[in-house]
Parts: sequence; C-alpha cells; structure tokens
Amino acid sequence: DQQVKQNSPSLSVQEGRISILNCDYTNSMFDYFLWYKKYPAEGPTFLISISSIKDKNEDGRFTVFLNKSAKHLSLHIVPSQPGDSAVYFCAASGRSNYQLIWGAGTKLIIKP
Amino acid sequence: ETGVTQSPTHLIKTRGQQVTLRCSSQSGHNTVSWYQQALGQGPQFIFQYYREEENGRGNFPPRFSGLQFPNYSSELNVNALELDDSALYLCASSPGTGLTDTQYFGPGTRLTVL
Repeated sequence: DQQVKQNSPSLSVQEGRISILNCDYTNSMFDYFLWYKKYPAEGPTFLISISSIKDKNEDGRFTVFLNKSAKHLSLHIVPSQPGDSAVYFCAASGRSNYQLIWGAGTKLIIKP
Repeated sequence: ETGVTQSPTHLIKTRGQQVTLRCSSQSGHNTVSWYQQALGQGPQFIFQYYREEENGRGNFPPRFSGLQFPNYSSELNVNALELDDSALYLCASSPGTGLTDTQYFGPGTRLTVL
C-alpha cells in the first residue's frame, strides 16, 4: 500500500524553464511534507518542506505547493539549472507517527 | 561540523550470514534513523534511536536490530540474511525527534546478498 506516490519516474526539462514535480498521498493524517534531492553515490539532501497548515512555501528557486483536498503536492523549480539534475523524493509524516514515508522518486534531467 | 558518514561503502554477503553496518552521526545529533532503499524505490523506515534507546520501528522483522552509542555512532545489524535484503542502507541523524527536525543522511552502504 503506497501512501506516497510519485507517478513520474523521470522528467526532462530545458535549462531555464520551470520544472514541476508531483506527489500524491493517501493518508489524511500526514501533517508535514518534505522534498529531498539525491545525487548518485550520495545520501538524500533536504530541500524544502511544508506544514499542512500552509498551502505554499518558497525558498529561492524552489516552491512547494500543497493541496490538501486533493492530497497533492508539487515542487516547482524556476529557473531550472543543470545542477538540479538529480532524483527528487517526496516524503510525508504525521504528528502521531514520526516515520517518514517516501515516494519512489522522480529523476529530473535538465537539458542544456 | 562533520557530516554523516557510513561504513563500509559496499558489502557482499551470502544468504544466512550476519552483517553489521556502521554510521557516524553529526555531533550533537541525538537521533539516528535507519532506512532501507531497494532499487527503484524510496527509502523505507527501519527504526529510530534516540539517546541510545529504540524510539520506533517500521515494518521490519526482529532480525533487523540496532545500537546507538554515546559517541554519536550507531550500528544496524541484520541476521540470517535473505536475498531480498540486498539494498542501499541509509542512516540519517537529526537533533531531536520532532516532526520538523531535519534529517541529514549519510551516503549509504550498498549491501548485496548472494
């Protein structure tokens, strides 16, 4: 039972354009959502998070949007840069359970 | 401030053997979490330790066990290895156990069970 789903295994975007990565979840008890970025041979690196009391959080080129009614979140990267090429994981957790539940990841490729 | 380190980088074992993986957390981080990441999947939570006590466990059998030491190091032990245990094992340290405590990951140990 996949509680966090990233339905796009990969995404290719032109440098300078917007990258939009999507994530869906099924558990309405999730309170906190995170995006991590992973380069090959490295561990995941925290990117940005959002609490369920918000619908948007912005940090530089990265913005996360949360739509609780649709149980959907997205990560926007504007403008996309070559160094953004990585695997992006969406993860979620709830106040009643500290575990991070992860999606399967989306491989983002930024084309020059 | 040093990051999270893990050893060894790669490991090959045979079915039925036992393995110990090691993690060194960031100084001052009292919480360590261990994850298993199978190929093509996201990390799966194994368990978490806070101040040397197990603080929670995911859906993994008892042959997965852990230890956390006062010097911010920790171990993941897996007994009676099975072929399906082949995966990348990640440890992550965080200052506490709060919902918003950011987890900092090591590069992982790639375990292959033959």
